Amino acid sequence: DTEVTQTPKHLVMGMTNKKSLKCEQHMGHRAMYWYKQKAKKPPELMFVYSYEKLSINESVPSRFSPECPNSSLLNLHLHALQPEDSALYLCASSQATGSLTEAFFGQGTRLTVV
Amino acid sequence: AQTVTQSQPEMSVQEAETVTLSCTYDTSESDYYLFWYKQPPSRQMILVIRQEAYKQQNATENRFSVNFQKAAKSFSLKISDSQLGDAAMYFCAYANTGGGADGLTFGKGTHLIIQP
Repeated sequence: DTEVTQTPKHLVMGMTNKKSLKCEQHMGHRAMYWYKQKAKKPPELMFVYSYEKLSINESVPSRFSPECPNSSLLNLHLHALQPEDSALYLCASSQATGSLTEAFFGQGTRLTVV
Repeated sequence: AQTVTQSQPEMSVQEAETVTLSCTYDTSESDYYLFWYKQPPSRQMILVIRQEAYKQQNATENRFSVNFQKAAKSFSLKISDSQLGDAAMYFCAYANTGGGADGLTFGKGTHLIIQP
């Protein structure tokens, strides 16, 4: 199983809503990532979890709150978002150590903030 | 900090022809990884090919090959016998060694169009 599964695929939320994005992998990877991708732009790293601990937070606003409940799951909790937060949110996973750093990506969640 | 530069926003090639996508990068590290990812309209990022910096031999995966010039910090992707299914955004990406904990640094991407 080389899949990273993200749910939901599409999400429309109001600026006062609270929602969560979910990501799951069963490849035994101990590094998991959230990226944000605007249209026609490359993915931008938001958060990195390594062995279920947050290791990188790329100055992301606090309205985005990541959570890694276990080694297979990664959540991104959303609260009081702005319209400019509308984007494709990609989850990825990889080995956390060793020589192979290939990242496997999910299909993303297309988020629209209204 | 590492940077990745893709200077071709868009490339077009006839089906069955060969096309080369350019990528340059900047790093102070001596060991690292380089990748080409493909992102079709379905949105999923798919690994095309990867290169370990310590390996002098250029990586090859079927119709895809790279020209890795470490001294010049250049990492181009050659697609031979282009197919309609190759149409996508192609991103060049860099990763430090020591595991994936630093994430990937991406270039701005090249939109590849395949003309039938």
